[in-house]
Parts: sequence; C-alpha cells; structure tokens
Amino acid sequence: DAGVIQSPRHEVTEMGQEVTLRCKPISGHDYLFWYRQTMMRGLELLIYFNNNVPIDDSGMPEDRFSAKMPNASFSTLKIQPSEPRDSAVYFCASSLKSGSPLHFGNGTRLTVT
Amino acid sequence: RKEVEQDPGPFNVPEGATVAFNCTYSNSASQSFFWYRQDCRKEPKLLMSVYSSGNEDGRFTAQLNRASQYISLLIRDSKLSDSATYLCVVNPGGYQKVTFGTGTKLQVIP
Repeated sequence: DAGVIQSPRHEVTEMGQEVTLRCKPISGHDYLFWYRQTMMRGLELLIYFNNNVPIDDSGMPEDRFSAKMPNASFSTLKIQPSEPRDSAVYFCASSLKSGSPLHFGNGTRLTVT
Repeated sequence: RKEVEQDPGPFNVPEGATVAFNCTYSNSASQSFFWYRQDCRKEPKLLMSVYSSGNEDGRFTAQLNRASQYISLLIRDSKLSDSATYLCVVNPGGYQKVTFGTGTKLQVIP
C-alpha cells in the first residue's frame, strides 16, 4: 500500500517567492496533519484537518502560511511570501481516526535563501 | 509546563546495554500514546503504541503510568542499529492536537 506521499522532496527558493508543498494522505485516513521540524524547535504542529475540514490552525506561524484540503486525497501548504526563517523540513502525516497513530510522508526540505 | 517533555540526551551506551527513556505529559485526559523512531534526515516512524497494561515487542518494552503522567521506553540488548532519536507522542483524542516530544537521541557505541 502506498504511504503518505509528499512533493517536492526538496525545494530551494529565494526570499519573497511563493512556495507550495503538496501531500497525498493514505486512502481512507480521516485526519491529515502538517508539521514543521527544525533543530531548534523540533516537530511543531502547524495545522490539522478532519474529513477535509481544518480543525486547529493555531500552530500556523503567521498569515504568510495557508493550508487547504480540497478533497480527501490532497492537501497543500502554501507560504507566500517565503522568508529565510521558514527553512525547515515540512512533514505531512495522516491517521485513520482519532487516537490512531500518525503515518508520515518523507517530508519536503525547504531552503529559502 | 510543556505539554510533552523528554530528556534530549544524548544517551551514549555500549552495545548490549539496557537503556530507558521517560516522557512526561501534562494533559491528564490524554487517551493514546506512542513511541516513534526518527533516523537522521528521515521521517518519524511508529515504533510502538503504549497501552495501560504495558506492552512488549522483542527487545522493546513500553509502559504507561497514568497516575504520574509519564510513559517509558526500555530497550534491552542495544544494537548499533538502535541509534536514532526516539520521540514520544501524546494524542488527547477527539479534536485535540497530537503533540510530539522533542526527542531523545540514542547513540549505541561498539
């Protein structure tokens, strides 16, 4: 079975550019999570969805960040405009139901210069 | 108090040693708990779930103490391949966010 699929694997962009990260969750999973990981702050939850509806976006750093889930098989995380401090690894994860373990994608390593 | 706290380590242990990690959590209503393993530059992967009765998977044993609000992971007969960062995860259930600890780094030395 296919796991969580993220794209791109690596993204290098210049400050001020728009960045879009993509995620395809495991089929049948009701929950989708976006995390950001840095050495300094560890894994931070940015936002999560249940049945395509955003439930908690309190972890989204600021208005430059937005996330959508137009259907059960696709989600995007957009940063506009990007800044060097956004450089991190962004993980998408999905889980079957509330209380189930999370399954992570390979992550997108973002570098903003 | 942080929602989930772990000793960051690093724990440097010789092959064959037994090592234990603890993780404390603040939300007493939390429902499910997990240990994840993360290798360098890789995604976190589920190691095992943690049940109230405790559970064992080969050399790994996980335990939950609800009264003191901590979970533990015991690794027996450490292997070089066990070197990784171990993350504890607390899931309150319902519409509450899943929280990861900052991770404990383990280095098993030949």
